[in-house]
Amino acid sequence: KAGVTQTPRYLIKTRGQQVTLSCSPISGHRSVSWYQQTPGQGLQFLFEYFSETQRNKGNFPGRFSGRQFSNSRSEMNVSTLELGDSALYLCASSPTVNTGELFFGEGSRLTVL
Amino acid sequence: QKEVEQDPGPLSVPEGAIVSLNCTYSNSAFQYFMWYRQYSRKGPELLMYTYSSGNKEDGRFTAQVDKSSKYISLFIRDSQPSDSATYLCAMSYISGTYKYIFGTGTRLKVLA
Repeated sequence: KAGVTQTPRYLIKTRGQQVTLSCSPISGHRSVSWYQQTPGQGLQFLFEYFSETQRNKGNFPGRFSGRQFSNSRSEMNVSTLELGDSALYLCASSPTVNTGELFFGEGSRLTVL
Repeated sequence: QKEVEQDPGPLSVPEGAIVSLNCTYSNSAFQYFMWYRQYSRKGPELLMYTYSSGNKEDGRFTAQVDKSSKYISLFIRDSQPSDSATYLCAMSYISGTYKYIFGTGTRLKVLA
């Protein structure tokens, strides 16, 4: 069974630009969550989608947004990039919503210059 | 005070040792308790998932939850060099709002 696939794996952007990250969940999983991981703050929850609806949202500014498609694939977008947005962005899928089990992808490492 | 506290380590042990990793938390609303393992440059991998107080065993791994003390542990028996990684505790609840919190992670090195 294929795992969670994230693309791109690495990317470099400059301040002010925007970025879109993609996530394909494990087949049959309908919930997709996004996390930001930095050395200083650790893993922080961004948002969770289930059946194309945002079910939960973390404490991040509106520059961070996401969506989920009918095939459960998800994208997240960060607009007006700041240096502090440099991080590993992790996508996780789960069979359903609001449980503890998360299956993570390998992440998209974003560097903002 | 952070909601979840985890000693960052690093923790170095000889091969074959029993490893004990711990987290404390302050919010009694947490319902689900998880342990993840993260190798360098990889995403976290779910190791253990528990819902209630008590012990859960899976191979060389045992997860322990003590809700009365707000304390969770992960024990690794017969540790191997391949266990060298960062171990993250996590806990979640849904009660009106949804919260999923990770500990900062403990770096473990098992020496051959």
